[in-house]
Amino acid sequence: DQQVKQNSPSLSVQEGRISILNCDYTNSMFDYFLWYKKYPAEGPTFLISISSIKDKNEDGRFTVFLNKSAKHLSLHIVPSQPGDSAVYFCAASGTGSARQLTFGSGTQLTVLP
Amino acid sequence: DAGVTQSPTHLIKTRGQQVTLRCSPKSGHDTVSWYQQALGQGPQFIFQYYEEEERQRGNFPDRFSGHQFPNYSSELNVNALLLGDSALYLCASSKTGVNTGELFFGEGSRLTVL
Repeated sequence: DQQVKQNSPSLSVQEGRISILNCDYTNSMFDYFLWYKKYPAEGPTFLISISSIKDKNEDGRFTVFLNKSAKHLSLHIVPSQPGDSAVYFCAASGTGSARQLTFGSGTQLTVLP
Repeated sequence: DAGVTQSPTHLIKTRGQQVTLRCSPKSGHDTVSWYQQALGQGPQFIFQYYEEEERQRGNFPDRFSGHQFPNYSSELNVNALLLGDSALYLCASSKTGVNTGELFFGEGSRLTVL
C-alpha cells in the first residue's frame, strides 16, 4: 500500500518554463512534507519542506503547495534550468515518527535547453 | 564540514552471505536512519538509531539489523542475503531536537546479490 504516490515517472519541460511536480498521499497522520532532489550516483538532497499548518512555502525558484483536503502537494520550479534535471522525490512524516520519512517513487525531471 | 559518509560504495555478494555497511553521520548529528532504495523506487525506511538504541523500525525482516556506536556512527548488517536485497542502501543523519523533518543523506552503498 503506497502511502505517498508520484504518478508521473517523468516530466520534460523547456528551459525557462515552469515545472510542476505532483504528489498525493493517503495517510491523514502525515503532518510534514518534503521534497528531495537526487542526481545519479549521489544521495538525495533536501530541497524544500512544508508543515501541514501552511498551504504554501517558497524558497527562491522553488514553491511547494499543500492541499490538505485533497491530500495533494505540488512543487513548482520557476524558471526551470537545465541543472534542475534530476529525480525528485516527495516524502512525508507524521507527528511522533521522529522523521521516519515515507517516500514516493520519484519523478525524473528533464529540462531541455 | 564533512557530510554523511558511507562505505563501501559498491559491493557484490552471493546469496546466503552476510554484509555490513557503514555510515558516519554529519558532524553534530546524533541520529542515524537507514533506507533501502530498489531500482525505480523511492527510499524505504529500514530503521533509525539514537543513543545507540533502535528507536523505530520499518517493515523489514530480522535479517536486517543495525548498531550505533558512541561516536554516533552506525552499521547496517544483512544476513542470509537474498537476490531481492540488491539495492542502494542509504544512510541519513539528523539532530534530535531540531524541529524539521530534514534528513541529510550519504551517497549510498550499492549492493548486488548474485
